Amino acid sequence: QKEVEQNSGPLSVPEGAIASLNCTYSDRVSQSFFWYRQYSGKSPELIMSIYSNGDKEDGRFTAQLNKASQYVSLLIRDSQPSDSATYLCAVNLRGAGSYQLTFGKGTKLSVIP
Amino acid sequence: KAGVTQTPRYLIKTRGQQVTLSCSPISGHRSVSWYQQTPGQGLQFLFEYFSETQRNKGNFPGRFSGRQFSNSRSEMNVSTLELGDSALYLCASSIGQGRYGYTFGSGTRLTVV
Repeated sequence: QKEVEQNSGPLSVPEGAIASLNCTYSDRVSQSFFWYRQYSGKSPELIMSIYSNGDKEDGRFTAQLNKASQYVSLLIRDSQPSDSATYLCAVNLRGAGSYQLTFGKGTKLSVIP
Repeated sequence: KAGVTQTPRYLIKTRGQQVTLSCSPISGHRSVSWYQQTPGQGLQFLFEYFSETQRNKGNFPGRFSGRQFSNSRSEMNVSTLELGDSALYLCASSIGQGRYGYTFGSGTRLTVV
């Protein structure tokens, strides 16, 4: 069973701290990795994509990918209360016919003022 | 640029009925995927269409079906509704085979009573 695994949380961090979210995946040949943010009652929103080993930074967000360890993470620096949401890791896994975007169950982040 | 449009936003149906949900992707996006989201199971892949062809199907019963039209608009149908089909149904579109991530619509909240 090809899967994407995340800690469900909740993860609580104080305002201004770094939030670290982790994800592992099972398919070694996956090529595309994404982080989505979902506020309560809303649909998922793409915030980061990463395709190569290493770090990718976008504002306060940094995505990290280690294909050898099948591990992808998201760091949120200077966390704000508005970052409180569920963060979904998504990986393009091989399905029956082609690749399919498979999601973890998400990590709920709470940023405490 | 208009986003992904899903209609209707809310639906209440009775067990045994059938339902059709509609999705209009972002202009130029030829790939459309459907997901079911429930609190317990998270986002589960239903199927993906590209250029009117179903390329991938998730592990759902045959009561769940879909199609894509030549203008890339997509519909999904659920027949013989069960209480367990109550969920948020999300449509997402992508410019290619999902390498660059998917953009989600606002979803259709289906309640089966």
